[in-house]
Amino acid sequence: DTEVTQTPKHLVMGMTNKKSLKCEQHMGHRAMYWYKQKAKKPPELMFVYSYEKLSINESVPSRFSPECPNSSLLNLHLHALQPEDSALYLCASSQRVAASTDTQYFGPGTRLTVL
Amino acid sequence: DQQVKQNSPSLSVQEGRISILNCDYTNSMFDYFLWYKKYPAEGPTFLISISSIKDKNEDGRFTVFLNKSAKHLSLHIVPSQPGDSAVYFCAASGGPSHYGQNFVFGPGTRLSVLP
Repeated sequence: DTEVTQTPKHLVMGMTNKKSLKCEQHMGHRAMYWYKQKAKKPPELMFVYSYEKLSINESVPSRFSPECPNSSLLNLHLHALQPEDSALYLCASSQRVAASTDTQYFGPGTRLTVL
Repeated sequence: DQQVKQNSPSLSVQEGRISILNCDYTNSMFDYFLWYKKYPAEGPTFLISISSIKDKNEDGRFTVFLNKSAKHLSLHIVPSQPGDSAVYFCAASGGPSHYGQNFVFGPGTRLSVLP
C-alpha cells in the first residue's frame, strides 16, 4: 500500500480566512513533504519534516504554517493568503530520511483557490 | 537556473508505437532519478526510478536509461497506450541528507497517445 491521502480535495477561501490542509500516510514513512504546484509548472518544495521535526523550510512565507502532530499526519495551516497562493498543494512521504535513493509517494493534492 | 530540464514540452505518439521522453540534468551530485506521471488535478504517480550505479531499469512497458557521462536520461514506453496520455515529470535527488530528500523536478512533458 503506497497511499497518501489529502483532505479536502478542493478549498476556496477568502484572504482573511484561516483554514488547514491535512495529509495522512500509514506506511511508516519517516519523512513527509509539502509541495506547491502552479498550472503548467513542476511541483516546488515548501517544507520537509523528518522524524516529525521540521527540517527544511524553503523560504516559505509565514502565512503558511506546517505542523506534524504525529508520524502519520501532516497539516498545513493557512492564514491571510493572497490570490497568488492559489495552486495545487501536494503532500508526499518517503520511507527513509537520510537516503537519497528513496521514492516519494504523493497524495492527490488539494486544489486551493484564494479569492 | 534549471538543474533538471525536459526540453520537449509536448509529444504526440500513435497508439502501439514507442514513446521516448528525455531529461537532462546539470548537477553531477544527483544520484537517483525518477519518473512520475501526472493527470490533471491529481498528484504525481511514481512510475520508475534508476540509481546512478545502473544504466538501465525496466518495469513492464517502462524502461529508463541513464547516461551519466552525458547527464541524460530517457523514459521509453512500449507499446504506448491512450491511458498513458499525461504529463511526465523527471525528478532527481542527490547526496545523502540528514534533513530529508530534496527532489528537483523538471518542467514536464505532456504525452498524447493517439488512437
